[in-house]
Amino acid sequence: GAVVSQHPSWVICKSGTSVKIECRSLDFQATTMFWYRQFPKQSLMLMATSNEGSKATYEQGVEKDKFLINHASLTLSTLTVTSAHPEDSSFYICSARWGGSNQPQHFGDGTRLSIL
Amino acid sequence: AQSVTQLDSHVSVSEGTPVLLRCNYSSSYSPSLFWYVQHPNKGLQLLLKYTSAATLVKGINGFEAEFKKSETSFHLTKPSAHMSDAAEYFCVVSDLGVDSSYKLIFGSGTRLLVRP
Repeated sequence: GAVVSQHPSWVICKSGTSVKIECRSLDFQATTMFWYRQFPKQSLMLMATSNEGSKATYEQGVEKDKFLINHASLTLSTLTVTSAHPEDSSFYICSARWGGSNQPQHFGDGTRLSIL
Repeated sequence: AQSVTQLDSHVSVSEGTPVLLRCNYSSSYSPSLFWYVQHPNKGLQLLLKYTSAATLVKGINGFEAEFKKSETSFHLTKPSAHMSDAAEYFCVVSDLGVDSSYKLIFGSGTRLLVRP
């Protein structure tokens, strides 16, 4: 149980384009979803937290106009990287949680984004 | 604020020998602590969690961790390493953010290498 599907797993695109990444909880309702960024050989950095039906809460230093997050349903959240540039290349991972803070987050398999 | 320190960036063991991955935390209250494993180009999988119940926590794949308040430690152990255990391991603490939501704070990670 507690499966989180992330799509696509890998995307390569030209500089200036926008890229949308989907995160779905397949067998549970995710009251909260999280988006992380991971640079090579580094730990995960939380970008934003989103609750279904409300605006995402972004961490300090994360541009909300650059990284658009939508959490329209209890099973789907999307991250759109707008006007992507090479410095946005990274591994993006989503996670989903049902219930309170003592419940674990369940992670997707990540999306490797490469901007040429 | 909470934080976690993973004392070793790399640990190398022979197959069949015990595994010890060290983690220390700082906390101003009773924390929730987790260990996650990440295989290459994959998301994170929950190994085990501590949420103020039994101090010895058993997880999946034969892993366990012991919460020691006096030492502020939450070390991960396994009696006998398997080749498939080779991966990156993250010690994680749940922290209350400024917006009163709980976030995961990740350690820097420990890469476990298993020699045949």
